[in-house]
Amino acid sequence: EIILTQSPATLSLSPGERVTLSCRASQSVSTYLAWYQQKPGQAPRLLIYDASNRAAGIPARFSGSGSGTDFTLTISSLEPEDFAIYYCQQRGNWPPWTFGQGTKVEIK
Amino acid sequence: EVQLVESGGALVQPGGSLRLSCAASGFSVSNYSFNWVRQAPGKGPEWISYITSGSRTTYYSDSVKGRFTISRDDAANSLYLQMDSLRAEDTSVYYCARDPGHTGGHFVRAGMDVWGQGTTVTVSS
Repeated sequence: EIILTQSPATLSLSPGERVTLSCRASQSVSTYLAWYQQKPGQAPRLLIYDASNRAAGIPARFSGSGSGTDFTLTISSLEPEDFAIYYCQQRGNWPPWTFGQGTKVEIK
Repeated sequence: EVQLVESGGALVQPGGSLRLSCAASGFSVSNYSFNWVRQAPGKGPEWISYITSGSRTTYYSDSVKGRFTISRDDAANSLYLQMDSLRAEDTSVYYCARDPGHTGGHFVRAGMDVWGQGTTVTVSS
């Protein structure tokens, strides 16, 4: 099973700040990694697919990069609606297709 | 509007069974693969099952293999999860989620683009 480790666990930031979230895989997943945003009481929302492609309707301030074992989600300038938990998920060659434990972005 | 709506969640005793349904609207399920993902209270999501179009391939996580069965009925535009031998640790919100397949000329390998609102399963005596 591929383990995804997200860091940091929590970020305390102010609106307008730049955010960089990390997701590290225990073995290579090529570019088969997605990022999701989840708010309380809601389902996860797809932000980035295949490491670097923004999903439909996702603002340009969200970007993803990386390949192999190291991936990054960047929010160029935090908006009030961006305070949430962010999860990465890998889709390697074989299941289980695991999620990371999440990074909470909270208001400072 | 493209939408998935889960139903069937309930309070059930350990060892019991439950069948979850996921009804799609705004698109035909026949062209897509689907997943079930669950989320225990205060925890992150956990992928548990997958089914391809035409039901050619199904996958399960080790935590549910042999107890849960994923299926689909394209005529009913729906997806199902039969859950048997339920345990306390199966207590979660259960989501169905769509694999987008081809989008914008790109085949999406990682990313589930449409999710339901979830249905709650509680396993307790």
